[in-house]
Amino acid sequence: DVQMTQSPSYLAASPGESVSISCKASKSINTYLAWYQEKPGKTNKLLIYSGSTLQSGTPSRFSDSGSGTDFTLTIRSLEPEDFAVYYCQQHNEYPLTFGSGTKLEIK
Amino acid sequence: EVQLVESGGGLVQPGRSLKLSCAASGFTFSNYYMAWVRQAPKKGLEWVATISTSGSRTYYPDSVKGRFTISRDNAKSSLYLQMNSLKSEDTATYYCARHYYSSYILDYWGQGVMVTVSS
Repeated sequence: DVQMTQSPSYLAASPGESVSISCKASKSINTYLAWYQEKPGKTNKLLIYSGSTLQSGTPSRFSDSGSGTDFTLTIRSLEPEDFAVYYCQQHNEYPLTFGSGTKLEIK
Repeated sequence: EVQLVESGGGLVQPGRSLKLSCAASGFTFSNYYMAWVRQAPKKGLEWVATISTSGSRTYYPDSVKGRFTISRDNAKSSLYLQMNSLKSEDTATYYCARHYYSSYILDYWGQGVMVTVSS
C-alpha cells in the first residue's frame, strides 16, 4: 500500500498570507495526487487532481507542485473561506490512501 | 446538482451487522464508479470500498475485506454497504462518494452517516 505522509498537521495563518502543505508518498505515484477540502457542515470538496489540474470551481490561488513522491499544495493570498482541513490522496492505485490531514486555522 | 444522501447509520453491538444506503441524484448514476470512505472520530479519511458501474467489480482494503460488501442498484440510483462482524474500530462517519468516471478520484461526497459499534 502507498503510505501518504502529510505535514504539518496544524497550520495557523492570517488572511492574505500564503501557505504550503506537504504530502509525501512512500513510493512514486507519478502525478496522481488529489487534494480535498473539509469544512464543517459542508461536503468534502475536490480541489485539485492529477497533481495540478484544478477542479471546476477551485480558485486559481490554489496550486499543486510535485511529482513522484513529493507534492506541495500552495494557497496564495488566503481568503476567510480557505480556513479548513486539507487532505491529500493518491489516485494511482488501490487501495486508495489519504494523508492524515492539515488543519488550517486563522491566526 | 449532484447529491449523495447516506442513511442507515446508528448504534450497533460488536459482531452484529448494519447496512448503509446512499441515494444519488443529479447525474447518471450508472455511468460512475462509486465508493464508501470513512472517518473515525478525530481521525483522517480511510477508503472502504469501490464498485464498478455494473457492479461486477468491487475493491476493498484489507481492513474490511471479507466483512463488508458494497453493492448498487442502478435502477434506483442507490449504493449500499453491508457491514458484517462489526468491530469497535469500525466506529466512524461513513461517506458515500462518486468516482470521477472510473478514475481513482472522488469528485463528489455525501454529508456522511455515523456508525457507532459499542456494547
